[in-house]
Amino acid sequence: AQRVTQPEKLLSVFKGAPVELKCNYSYSGSPELFWYVQYSRQRLQLLLRHISRESIKGFTADLNKGETSFHLKKPFAQEEDSAMYYCATQGGDSSYKLIFGSGTRLLVRP
Amino acid sequence: EAGVVQSPRYKIIEKKQPVAFWCNPISGHNTLYWYLQNLGQGPELLIRYENEEAVDDSQLPKDRFSAERLKGVDSTLKIQPAELGDSAVYLCASSKRGTGELFFGEGSRLTVL
Repeated sequence: AQRVTQPEKLLSVFKGAPVELKCNYSYSGSPELFWYVQYSRQRLQLLLRHISRESIKGFTADLNKGETSFHLKKPFAQEEDSAMYYCATQGGDSSYKLIFGSGTRLLVRP
Repeated sequence: EAGVVQSPRYKIIEKKQPVAFWCNPISGHNTLYWYLQNLGQGPELLIRYENEEAVDDSQLPKDRFSAERLKGVDSTLKIQPAELGDSAVYLCASSKRGTGELFFGEGSRLTVL
């Protein structure tokens, strides 16, 4: 069964520090991986997806199939990055089910 | 273009009362999802529709929860009777078929007293 694990409930860093939000997944096959973000008082929205290989708002995420990880990284955190971040996986079968992790709250201190 | 619209935003009811949530997806999105989000948790899928067909309702507690998507557009999620443990945020999302890019509504926060 698909599963997504985000081991940290809270990650607190100072402005300008590097950030790495961890995500591990379990799925037999070739899943698609996503990062969703929810800023304060806003709706949940897509941040990035691994197949696009884009850098969004300075964030990148590399899919490591050997370690079954999809960690989200940013070299220099900004205060406006403070938000809830959810890793999600979608299976390669016909179900198209999107499974979310429990989320990590990123707090960037001034 | 309007995003996914949900109502009501907030609902407070006493246990054993019924409650219903409504969702209007983005125009042209065939796939509609209802997710449940408990405090401190990620969204958990309740039901997924492809047009008017419920293609994945394995996580929906069918003894008290029901959903419908008549005409394949807007959808209603109902709980009857509500229990204390149903207090949560109910999220609706829509997408084009087969994509993992979901567009979420603002959610309906339910409090059961």
